[in-house]
Amino acid sequence: ETGVTQTPRHLVMGMTNKKSLKCEQHLGHNAMYWYKQSAKKPLELMFVYNFKEQTENNSVPSRFSPECPNSSHLFLHLHTLQPEDSALYLCASSQDGTLQETQYFGPGTRLLVL
Amino acid sequence: GENVEQHPSTLSVQEGDSAVIKCTYSDSASNYFPWYKQELGKRPQLIIDIRSNVGEKKDQRIAVTLNKTAKHFSLHITETQPEDSAVYFCAASRGGANNLFFGTGTRLTVIP
Repeated sequence: ETGVTQTPRHLVMGMTNKKSLKCEQHLGHNAMYWYKQSAKKPLELMFVYNFKEQTENNSVPSRFSPECPNSSHLFLHLHTLQPEDSALYLCASSQDGTLQETQYFGPGTRLLVL
Repeated sequence: GENVEQHPSTLSVQEGDSAVIKCTYSDSASNYFPWYKQELGKRPQLIIDIRSNVGEKKDQRIAVTLNKTAKHFSLHITETQPEDSAVYFCAASRGGANNLFFGTGTRLTVIP
């Protein structure tokens, strides 16, 4: 399945590092999302972009910085992360973020912060 | 905001038996309820969804029921097969995909 891709699939970083997660969707969608998936917790919505405009920021710490240069690409820039930020980061897309539609998820980036 | 609770957190059934996963929600304005399946090491994928204007929806071995008065909805899987083993997430939304709140997930194991 190649509709939504994410790179890298695995990432280990120190607390002082700066890294970026990349998401690309090939579905012609206009909305893209970042989620955090931690063990035994609900999927946590972090950011939403609809038609390249950020429409949601669920009180995410500033050490996470999203970027959406166009409707097909979404980045999550990481800096000075904490060990508790270790999780699976999932990207998703949907046709239009204002409607109730199916979200298509990417395979995720498993992040480990040491 | 919306609060979605999901039970049980783990469920084991014999192959061929039925499995039921239940979710409750707090926001009476929620009107869209999707279910996602996440196999080990894979991405979540939508398997079925229901909107508040219907009480039940079925797709082959999978069905979802919605009780708006009680604010709960359930996923029913009949004639379970080993490939049904996965984590299942329910979610609720009052409008807009950016207002989608997920439950904590149920790990279903189907024993051959």
